[in-house]
Amino acid sequence: GDSVTQTEGQVALSEEDFLTIHCNYSASGYPALFWYVQYPGEGPQFLFRASRDKEKGSSRGFEATYDKGTTSFHLRKASVQESDSAVYYCALGDRTNAYKVIFGKGTHLHVLP
Amino acid sequence: GALVYQYPRRTICKSGTSMRMECQAVGFQATSVAWYRQSPQKTFELIALSTVNSAIKYEQNFTQEKFPISHPNLSFSSMTVLNAYLEDRGLYLCGARDGQGAVFFGKGTRLTVV
Repeated sequence: GDSVTQTEGQVALSEEDFLTIHCNYSASGYPALFWYVQYPGEGPQFLFRASRDKEKGSSRGFEATYDKGTTSFHLRKASVQESDSAVYYCALGDRTNAYKVIFGKGTHLHVLP
Repeated sequence: GALVYQYPRRTICKSGTSMRMECQAVGFQATSVAWYRQSPQKTFELIALSTVNSAIKYEQNFTQEKFPISHPNLSFSSMTVLNAYLEDRGLYLCGARDGQGAVFFGKGTRLTVV
């Protein structure tokens, strides 16, 4: 079945560092891809989505580009802040069941001041 | 903007009793609502998908008898955890999908069973 893989379980950076969190997916066709951020004690917050090859999604300084060739949707930010510390989830929308969202295991980002 | 209100935020119930949680989409029309449970390891388990005027579809290991769901209109859904036991503990999340396929989550209901 469809799946999402996030290779980094934890990422530790200093403020103003460049961030990359890797996300690869396995699915047929062109599933919608999403990034979510979750802060302690809260539900995941929608960051942005993309649904076509080469489409870029962005929000709050984060961005990711849909790449059908490498089946990737890597999250990037040029300069992280301590307030960006959270868990980030890559997700895809199931095309056969349009209402189903499949989540990766999440990447815990720690940004040190 | 699109918001999803979920309540209560946390609840404690005695083993064998039941509790109900509610979810309301504000600022958009939800085409479907999904209920998830997030484990302590942070993985998401899909419990069921609910579309107004269609049958609610439960995932394997979850049943209507244990997690009855009501979804009477496009903006409101509720789920009950019947006869809650220790293994039912966790953060329950309501996610409402908009017309473009994005899913917006409530802040979750933390269930503690004692």
